Amino acid sequence: QQQVKQSPQSLIVQKGGISIINCAYENTAFDYFPWYQQFPGKGPALLIAIRPDVSEKKEGRFTISFNKSAKQFSLHIMDSQPGDSATYFCAAFKGNFNKFYFGSGTKLNVKP
Amino acid sequence: DTGVSQNPRHKITKRGQNVTFRCDPISEHNRLYWYRQTLGQGPEFLTYFQNEAQLEKSRLLSDRFSAERPKGSFSTLEIQRTEQGDSAMYLCASSQFSSYNEQFFGPGTRLTVL
Repeated sequence: QQQVKQSPQSLIVQKGGISIINCAYENTAFDYFPWYQQFPGKGPALLIAIRPDVSEKKEGRFTISFNKSAKQFSLHIMDSQPGDSATYFCAAFKGNFNKFYFGSGTKLNVKP
Repeated sequence: DTGVSQNPRHKITKRGQNVTFRCDPISEHNRLYWYRQTLGQGPEFLTYFQNEAQLEKSRLLSDRFSAERPKGSFSTLEIQRTEQGDSAMYLCASSQFSSYNEQFFGPGTRLTVL
């Protein structure tokens, strides 16, 4: 059973536009939800993360929106730039599980 | 560079050969994780260590796979009798126990089994 489902698989956005990536999770025991950014040939790098006691977290152009009742969370990239072109992964974590469950990834292409 | 390092970055081997990868975590991190990532997929958990103790192994980790972390420092992942299905990116990540949520990933080792 896939613990974290991510969509869309790929996304094309014009420079300056808003990129939105969605994730849904199954296990209500998860208590930490990060987003990772991965460039080709590199390992994933932590972008922003949220805990379920808040509904939104913003860091610069990146915002996570969290809906606990729907078991969904999303990443919004405002004023998207060509340098944001990368693959983005959502993940879910619970301390007792001691591991992350990753989504399948979204390849974002920001057109200049 | 004080980040997580992995060697080699690329490995091409023939089916049936053994391969070993190395991960050097961030020096003060006591937790170390191994993941496998195939094309178009997110990383999948393989195993993790707290200091030198291997505390959990995924069912994905067949008996051909073994990992060690002697003295709680660097770690090695060995794959014996490689199969074409083992072709993937093998990622290592480390974290501090006090902030175990924040994992820092290395650049990965890309394995190609011919």
